[in-house]
Amino acid sequence: DVVMTQSPLSLPVTLGQPASISCRSSQGLVHGDGNIYFYWFHQRPGQSPRRLIYRVSGRDSGVPDRFSGSGSGTDFTLKISRVEAEDVGVYYCMQSSLWPWTFGQGTKVEIK
Amino acid sequence: EVQLVESGGGLVQPGGSLRLSCVASGFTFSRHWVTWVRQTPGKGLEWVATINEDGSETYYVDNVMGRFSISRDNGKNLLYLQMSSLRAEDTAVYFCVRGRANLWGQGTLVTVSS
Repeated sequence: DVVMTQSPLSLPVTLGQPASISCRSSQGLVHGDGNIYFYWFHQRPGQSPRRLIYRVSGRDSGVPDRFSGSGSGTDFTLKISRVEAEDVGVYYCMQSSLWPWTFGQGTKVEIK
Repeated sequence: EVQLVESGGGLVQPGGSLRLSCVASGFTFSRHWVTWVRQTPGKGLEWVATINEDGSETYYVDNVMGRFSISRDNGKNLLYLQMSSLRAEDTAVYFCVRGRANLWGQGTLVTVSS
């Protein structure tokens, strides 16, 4: 199975400052069709996860442009250019290029 | 409104069975793969099973293979997860998820305990 390793697991942030979360996969994520099915999700307490980023760097509809995704090979990054209060919660990476689909452990973002 | 709504969770004894349902609305259900994902406090998010558009292909995580069965009824916009031989470690919130996880339901809690 592909192991997804996120860091850090806890991220205290200052409002208005940038933040960055890393996700490393144990193997490459190129699907047989040539795409990389790698995603980022945000989950607020008591809510379902919401997808933010699709296929490494695509921003889902309604996601603020302060969120950006990047990466290649086995290293991927989610960046928030200026953290807002509504960004608190847990962020997860996920791959669905290879069976079984696997998630990272989650990174808890909180305001300092 | 585009949404997925799960139901069927509850308390069940170890070794018991339960069937979860998920009803889709606001989009053409039959055009999408659908998946069950579960979440536990200790293990985070775990993919459980996926079914393709017409139900001819199914995929399972190893630790539910032979115990869980995913199916769908496109005429009723319904997704199912039949769970049997339930174990304490199956305790989780189960989410119904569309496609490459671009739409999630609110989840239904399954508790396996005596």
